[in-house]
Amino acid sequence: KAGVTQTPRYLIKTRGQQVTLSCSPISGHRSVSWYQQTPGQGLQFLFEYFSETQRNKGNFPGRFSGRQFSNSRSEMNVSTLELGDSALYLCASSPGTATSGNTIYFGEGSWLTVV
Amino acid sequence: AQSVTQLDSHVSVSEGTPVLLRCNYSSSYSPSLFWYVQHPNKGLQLLLKYTSAATLVKGINGFEAEFKKSETSFHLTKPSAHMSDAAEYFCVVSSGAGSYQLTFGKGTKLSVIP
Repeated sequence: KAGVTQTPRYLIKTRGQQVTLSCSPISGHRSVSWYQQTPGQGLQFLFEYFSETQRNKGNFPGRFSGRQFSNSRSEMNVSTLELGDSALYLCASSPGTATSGNTIYFGEGSWLTVV
Repeated sequence: AQSVTQLDSHVSVSEGTPVLLRCNYSSSYSPSLFWYVQHPNKGLQLLLKYTSAATLVKGINGFEAEFKKSETSFHLTKPSAHMSDAAEYFCVVSSGAGSYQLTFGKGTKLSVIP
């Protein structure tokens, strides 16, 4: 069974540009969450999607957005990139409803560098 | 609201000696608790999880953790450290209340001395 797949793995962007990151969850998983990891702030929750609907959102500016498709694949977009957006972006997938006990699986992440 | 505090940012042990990584949590709901490990330049791998069943949870690679509600703790232990255990470890809480939002601790970097 394939794990969580994130693309691209590494990318470099210039300030002011926008970027789109993609995540394919484990087959059968309907929930996809996104996290940002930086040395200073650690791991922070961005948002979660379930059945194409955003179910929860973290404390990030509106430049950060996401969506989920009918096949559960998800994309996140960051517009007007800032140097501080340089981070490892992690995608996580989980099955079905968010009940206690469901395991959450992470992808390898997308390393974004903004110059 | 939920939060996680990992009490040590860095732990150093000798190979073959026990490992103890400490974690305290707070949660408004009955929490699910996880330990994840992250090796350099890698994603997060689940070590173990607590979901209100047995309070002593066994995970992969010889790790285990004990849920103590009275102390709001979920410390991670391993009887004998191996060089391959050197990594960063994250204690994580999930409320499970309608969302998969996870709250992470700041992480504990484990160094293993040969």
